[in-house]
Amino acid sequence: NAGVTQTPKFQVLKTGQSMTLQCAQDMNHEYMSWYRQDPGMGLRLIHYSVGAGITDQGEVPNGYNVSRSTTEDFPLRLLSAAPSQTSVYFCASSYRGTPSYNSPLHFGNGTRLTVT
Amino acid sequence: LAKTTQPISMDSYEGQEVNITCSHNNIATNDYITWYQQFPSQGPRFIIQGYKTKVTNEVASLFIPADRKSSTLSLPRVSLSDTAVYYCLVGDPGRGDTGRRALTFGSGTRLQVQP
Repeated sequence: NAGVTQTPKFQVLKTGQSMTLQCAQDMNHEYMSWYRQDPGMGLRLIHYSVGAGITDQGEVPNGYNVSRSTTEDFPLRLLSAAPSQTSVYFCASSYRGTPSYNSPLHFGNGTRLTVT
Repeated sequence: LAKTTQPISMDSYEGQEVNITCSHNNIATNDYITWYQQFPSQGPRFIIQGYKTKVTNEVASLFIPADRKSSTLSLPRVSLSDTAVYYCLVGDPGRGDTGRRALTFGSGTRLQVQP
């Protein structure tokens, strides 16, 4: 299994440009999420999805859009990039779980984004 | 969103046992407690998970008191390779209100192991 795949690994944008960070998982996980991690900081939740067609905001959603048209894919869109969005972005997924077991998050390898 | 509080940093020496405590006062009935480890330039990876009492695996132990408002990750006999940031999460992505399913990380505990 490939697990959680993020593309691209690195990206440089100019202020005002738009782009989409891709995330795909092949584990049939219902839960998917996006985090950003700034240097020396913890991970902050941007958006998450508990299933296809369902998305919700996390702690820092401003400037980002998401959609979940399929179970496998959860792209993150930056409509107008700003230098404050320079960060490392991680996508993570998790199985729904059962009352006696809760699947942990599986993380991708991250996308390092620089906005100049 | 379920919030957690951990010490910002801890120092230890090789061979010692390290205990990292996490506070999660607003934990919900369905929430599990999960600990992750993160090395520089990598995504976090799962260490251990529990719901109540004590859980042990080949890497660590997790102690959860009866009120579940805190948990302690115990790393036996740490080595230099255990130097990393450790995060605890509470939540359940599968049940409850949508808002409770958000899995949020705190700032984590930076563990530095010295020779």
